[in-house]
Amino acid sequence: DTGVSQDPRHKITKRGQNVTFRCDPISEHNRLYWYRQTLGQGPEFLTYFQNEAQLEKSRLLSDRFSAERPKGSFSTLEIQRTEQGDSAMYLCASSPPGHDTGELFFGEGSRLTVL
Amino acid sequence: KQEVTQIPAALSVPEGENLVLNCSFTDSAIYNLQWFRQDPGKGLTSLLLIQSSQREQTSGRLNASLDKSSGRSTLYIAASQPGDSATYLCVAKLVFGAGTILRVKS
Repeated sequence: DTGVSQDPRHKITKRGQNVTFRCDPISEHNRLYWYRQTLGQGPEFLTYFQNEAQLEKSRLLSDRFSAERPKGSFSTLEIQRTEQGDSAMYLCASSPPGHDTGELFFGEGSRLTVL
Repeated sequence: KQEVTQIPAALSVPEGENLVLNCSFTDSAIYNLQWFRQDPGKGLTSLLLIQSSQREQTSGRLNASLDKSSGRSTLYIAASQPGDSATYLCVAKLVFGAGTILRVKS
């Protein structure tokens, strides 16, 4: 049984470049979440998918951020025209079907450094 | 809007001590509350999930309690060990607290 998988684990980019992160949830989980975490802070919610539908999106998610989950399986988070303030750990989580959020399972995260 | 607060922000204890970490939340209409551990530079490892209908959950040396009416949860760690050193986070309705940084000194 594989857990939540994120790729790449580390990404260093120059300001203004676009980056994309991928998240593969646990196979039977239909819910997928993206969070951002900066040093010394708790994770901040970005967005949430149930199957392929994006049901909730934080105001933190500016127009430069877009997330997709086209077939209800893996998800991508793209950041366009990166800024130094985007440097953070991007965490993905999934949870099983149910009437509520359920137990969250996190991946190891993708660390972004914008130079 | 849910707000989650964790107290203390940091804690340093000698090995063997029992300790309590606190998590408070403003919106008590929660289905569950979950506690995590995070080691530096790593992802989050789930410790305990308490359903709203439960008052306690236990796993080994860890015990978590939930009082929905007062908007509080506590994580009790018995007989702390240096390997328990990490940041402990709670989450309610997808909102995380800032965490408690725990250091257990040998």
